[in-house]
Amino acid sequence: SQQGEEDPQALSIQEGENATMNCSYKTSINNLQWYRQNSGRGLVHLILIRSNEREKHSGRLRVTLDTSKKSSSLLITASRAADTASYFCATLGTGGFKTIFGAGTRLFVKA
Amino acid sequence: NAGVTQTPKFQVLKTGQSMTLQCAQDMNHEYMSWYRQDPGMGLRLIHYSVGAGITDQGEVPNGYNVSRSTTEDFPLRLLSAAPSQTSVYFCASSYSSSGTGELFFGEGSRLTVL
Repeated sequence: SQQGEEDPQALSIQEGENATMNCSYKTSINNLQWYRQNSGRGLVHLILIRSNEREKHSGRLRVTLDTSKKSSSLLITASRAADTASYFCATLGTGGFKTIFGAGTRLFVKA
Repeated sequence: NAGVTQTPKFQVLKTGQSMTLQCAQDMNHEYMSWYRQDPGMGLRLIHYSVGAGITDQGEVPNGYNVSRSTTEDFPLRLLSAAPSQTSVYFCASSYSSSGTGELFFGEGSRLTVL
């Protein structure tokens, strides 16, 4: 069964707007990661946040983690048409070894 | 560095045929894994390996075999293909042997079983 569930399933915004995607998970984690997948391509790692961290930034990306609510959010600021892709959250449990992915959010940024 | 290389990119099989999906990485990563991706279901972990000679099952291991004879290679074998195994398969590796670091993915192998 999947550990993470993203919300919304799909998101359509205008270029320049911010995009927020949410992820909920079920069990205790070692870390949570966000990945991006362009159509027909492999996944690319965006950012990793450990269970003892609450917020992390990387360029236009901001990730928050709330372990009490078992949830995370990914914010992409000033979105661009090139940000159009599917975004996945993935969690690694405290036992390690198995990174489990959610079903993803499809983001469409209109130019 | 080429990163993670998967072959073939596309394959069509008939039910009952066997085949091997190849995965190689040139980053000296100890951890390697196989996922399958189906529409609307994200990626599901099939098998993983924490080093040469060590493999273990993921979420959906049935119908798949793996072995790890070298650090570089982690092939995925389908012994008797079924239509339910039609999917896109991704191989990934990580520098952390426990898989705690980021995963580096190949470009995928699209398999159709008729």
